[in-house]
Amino acid sequence: EPEVTQTPSHQVTQMGQEVILRCVPISNHLYFYWYRQILGQKVEFLVSFYNNEISEKSEIFDDQFSVERPDGSNFTLKIRSTKLEDSAMYFCASSYSGGQFFGPGTRLTVL
Amino acid sequence: DQQVKQNSPSLSVQEGRISILNCDYTNSMFDYFLWYKKYPAEGPTFLISISSIKDKNEDGRFTVFLNKSAKHLSLHIVPSQPGDSAVYFCAARSIYNQGGKLIFGQGTELSVKP
Repeated sequence: EPEVTQTPSHQVTQMGQEVILRCVPISNHLYFYWYRQILGQKVEFLVSFYNNEISEKSEIFDDQFSVERPDGSNFTLKIRSTKLEDSAMYFCASSYSGGQFFGPGTRLTVL
Repeated sequence: DQQVKQNSPSLSVQEGRISILNCDYTNSMFDYFLWYKKYPAEGPTFLISISSIKDKNEDGRFTVFLNKSAKHLSLHIVPSQPGDSAVYFCAARSIYNQGGKLIFGQGTELSVKP
């Protein structure tokens, strides 16, 4: 069964450093998303991506964040200068239409 | 942002009985609703969805009911199995969110006892 994959599973970084979280969405899907979940809180939407451009972004998704689909398979989230409050589980999701399918997540720890 | 609420943080059910998980929403522009199941250290797993033009959708042991006038949806699992023990999230999408943004509830932790 096709699935969304994410790497790495855990990323530890120092405050102020750049991180890139990687995702491989399901191959025939057209819509791509990033969400995050801070420990003990709700899953929060960050950004959606369709037709090689951002279609919607949340207030969280400020200038420190960017997304890219550099080739036909990968979808990346970059955080330019990480802050302590960026520590969270980051989930990538994709959809064709209807239900969104999530990857296993990347746990980002900012020290 | 409390547009989607799951007021019960936990639910305990006996194996073989029905589990009913509830979700309320406030935004009348939501047109599509989904239920996800999540195990610790894993991503949410899509279970079942329902469009606002329907009031019921069934898939095997899982049935979702939508009551638009009450802005309420529920997920029924019958019969419940120990493997169903997980956190269940409801999520909703608005017709105005062209990007397909989902808004999640806080989750309900279901425990199915053998």
